[in-house]
Amino acid sequence: GAGVSQSPSNKVTEKGKDVELRCDPISGHTALYWYRQSLGQGLEFLIYFQGNSAPDKSGLPSDRFSAERTGGSVSTLTIQRTQQEDSAVYLCASSAYRQGARGYTFGSGTRLTVV
Amino acid sequence: DQQVKQNSPSLSVQEGRISILNCDYTNSMFDYFLWYKKYPAEGPTFLISISSIKDKNEDGRFTVFLNKSAKHLSLHIVPSQPGDSAVYFCAASGETDSWGKLQFGAGTQVVVTP
Repeated sequence: GAGVSQSPSNKVTEKGKDVELRCDPISGHTALYWYRQSLGQGLEFLIYFQGNSAPDKSGLPSDRFSAERTGGSVSTLTIQRTQQEDSAVYLCASSAYRQGARGYTFGSGTRLTVV
Repeated sequence: DQQVKQNSPSLSVQEGRISILNCDYTNSMFDYFLWYKKYPAEGPTFLISISSIKDKNEDGRFTVFLNKSAKHLSLHIVPSQPGDSAVYFCAASGETDSWGKLQFGAGTQVVVTP
């Protein structure tokens, strides 16, 4: 597609429920990143995928968080047993091979509210 | 541990004047710095960057200055325009993050008044 697409744009869920957030990167971009922005905070790195390499999961805050990228394209971030502190805007970005941060294109994000 | 800090959460500036946004970092391994601009309900967009081998990079109305000894960078916008009203994020990456994992500051909300 022309840009990075994220869905849903807004999600309200009850504490304890599982949620899935989707990211559809720019076609041909091999790198895909998930960040989140909590209220009053900067963007916090969560996980990154590069081609067929093992993902860098070093930013995932707990084992309730997981992500996968199927076929080197669409990615899903799953949060199990959501907690109120998971409320944030979850942003996905993609970039072309070896462009890294110089070529980030962000999606508009998913605003997650846990009540 | 916040490795990139933007200590001013907001900045108000008159149209036509200069906006100066500041950013400090603690990790001396950072070698590439970027500024992003974000409008409400949109993702951040890349604005300007600078490598640690330079101390200044200019692109139109936007100039980024890097002071490595002070671990400080700043973004100058001159002249400021109403469309510049947005949140500005400072970000940094290091040699070991060559694939683009970034550390972001908390952002500075800029409001340009007529």
